[in-house]
Amino acid sequence: EDKVVQSPLSLVVHEGDTVTLNCSYEVTNFRSLLWYKQEKKAPTFLFMLTSSGIEKKSGRLSSILDKKELFSILNITATQTGDSAVYLCAISGSARQLTFGSGTQLTVLP
Amino acid sequence: GAVVSQHPSRVICKSGTSVKIECRSLDFQATTMFWYRQFPKQSLMLMATSNEGSKATYEQGVEKDKFLINHASLTLSTLTVTSAHPEDSSFYICSARDRGHSPLHFGNGTRLTVT
Repeated sequence: EDKVVQSPLSLVVHEGDTVTLNCSYEVTNFRSLLWYKQEKKAPTFLFMLTSSGIEKKSGRLSSILDKKELFSILNITATQTGDSAVYLCAISGSARQLTFGSGTQLTVLP
Repeated sequence: GAVVSQHPSRVICKSGTSVKIECRSLDFQATTMFWYRQFPKQSLMLMATSNEGSKATYEQGVEKDKFLINHASLTLSTLTVTSAHPEDSSFYICSARDRGHSPLHFGNGTRLTVT
């Protein structure tokens, strides 16, 4: 059974801080690892990672995958209050559906 | 980019009634759609995989007679919660991908409240 564990479960920082969110996984026949941001409604896609060691970057957000150690990190630099959300990590294995972690609740204070 | 539309966004119904939720892929065809359920402060739990033209595949513990899924076309899947009870109150989200290896795109979800 595929499994995703995220840490920390929640995080409170001040604007301008840098945060690192962690995701470890167990999967049969790895296809991809995905990061999503969920505010009040449905998750919005951030990154899809398939190869180890290649950083994906979008503005202040970046993510990298380590397929040997079975984990990924999501970094957010110079955080803003608008970054406050739940960040979900999900794994795609032999089946086409995603298995989600419990998420990290990030709160950025002004 | 790929857009998934879900309707309604919010529904309140009485115990014992049935509620239908629609999920449409607006600019792509989806042979497979996924239905998730999310309780407050918890992650998304896959309920079932909806397959166009065939029966849905349900996850363990999900009652197929209670959560009826119909995927009648390549752009539409529906989830019907039959004989709803207060414990069915939850956030239901559908998702789909437009190509084999593309990321899942989510609808905006449906907040169901059963009174």
